[in-house]
Amino acid sequence: ILNVEQSPQSLHVQEGDSTNFTCSFPSSNFYALHWYRWETAKSPEALFVMTLNGDEKKKGRISATLNTKEGYSYLYIKGSQPEDSATYLCACGGGSARQLTFGSGTQLTVLP
Amino acid sequence: EAQVTQNPRYLITVTGKKLTVTCSQNMNHEYMSWYRQDPGLGLRQIYYSMNVEVTDKGDVPEGYKVSRKEKRNFPLILESPSPNQTSLYFCASSYTTLGQGGEQYFGPGTRLTVT
Repeated sequence: ILNVEQSPQSLHVQEGDSTNFTCSFPSSNFYALHWYRWETAKSPEALFVMTLNGDEKKKGRISATLNTKEGYSYLYIKGSQPEDSATYLCACGGGSARQLTFGSGTQLTVLP
Repeated sequence: EAQVTQNPRYLITVTGKKLTVTCSQNMNHEYMSWYRQDPGLGLRQIYYSMNVEVTDKGDVPEGYKVSRKEKRNFPLILESPSPNQTSLYFCASSYTTLGQGGEQYFGPGTRLTVT
């Protein structure tokens, strides 16, 4: 079982602030890094999947980067809005391309 | 509409009474997976399936069974449920293996309580 860690565990920001979270994972036998957004009472929804060192992906105000050599990924949210409030999960595929190991998530609350 | 469906959404049962949670996807995805979510823990993979008749254990398979007789369906079977299987369960599917960049589509979740 891989050790995938996310920090911080929770975060409160003001509307309009930019923020970022970290996902750390073992750099050996890496296959893919997934980011999901999980709103309360809903299902996790895929944001990004990255496979190559140096990958950068962007969707609106949300972007992510990947460093497979040092084993981390950052998720950035620019100009946070209350509707960005959710738990952000990262998951790493390593050792087996068929499995994912999830981190415990970063719970983001954006205050109006 | 592309979706993953699960049934039932909520279930309260007693220890030892066999149950099945169904999962179906309409996207012709090859890869399907079951997860459980417990407070303070991330989503943990129970079983996954690469294709019809191809299944394998995830990180927490004890007490669960699965089958994949058709591409669209991937039921989760609890032969003799116990209270420690009380959890929120998610089914997910993907067009390709996760390591090749296949993002997952999650079902709505099944909240199971075993008394």
